[in-house]
Amino acid sequence: GAVVSQHPSRVICKSGTSVKIECRSLDFQATTMFWYRQFPKQSLMLMATSNEGSKATYEQGVEKDKFLINHASLTLSTLTVTSAHPEDSSFYICSANLAGTGELFFGEGSRLTVL
Amino acid sequence: GENVEQHPSTLSVQEGDSAVIKCTYSDSASNYFPWYKQELGKRPQLIIDIRSNVGEKKDQRIAVTLNKTAKHFSLHITETQPEDSAVYFCAASGTSYGKLTFGQGTILTVHP
Repeated sequence: GAVVSQHPSRVICKSGTSVKIECRSLDFQATTMFWYRQFPKQSLMLMATSNEGSKATYEQGVEKDKFLINHASLTLSTLTVTSAHPEDSSFYICSANLAGTGELFFGEGSRLTVL
Repeated sequence: GENVEQHPSTLSVQEGDSAVIKCTYSDSASNYFPWYKQELGKRPQLIIDIRSNVGEKKDQRIAVTLNKTAKHFSLHITETQPEDSAVYFCAASGTSYGKLTFGQGTILTVHP
């Protein structure tokens, strides 16, 4: 199956700093990638849809200025959590779908801990 | 937007028994319904999916049924094994591929 790789897998940062998470589709091109957030013992919540070459589409309630998304190429999308606070601590997972199939492939996830 | 409800939130069975998890969805335009298994700290893994033009799909011990009229779909696991223990999520999406709405999740525990 298609492979989506995410980096870093774990990151700890101080409150007020920014953290960048990368999501790469390794063996296929993804014009669209998706960023989900998962709090402990909860479900996955879609944050935004990342579109190659254009602005991301954010879900209601997600601050676009806080969660910066860049999708500069067909294989890479980045999520930057700006001015991170402890409440941003979560498991962030990216995904991409194989064109024409609808099947979604997830990255390994990135666990962010903000101190 | 789409809303997906999943039940039960926890399910405990004995090894060898069957497990059933049910989901309902609200958007009649949804046409793709995947099920994911997620182990602690890991990514969700697709275990089976079904599209709206099919009523049932089976893959070895796992089956999914879909009732479009009632807008609900179910996951059936037969002959459960301890390694089936995990959190299971249903999801639904419409014409926007990949934009999934997830259910709340079911913690399945299979006791040896």
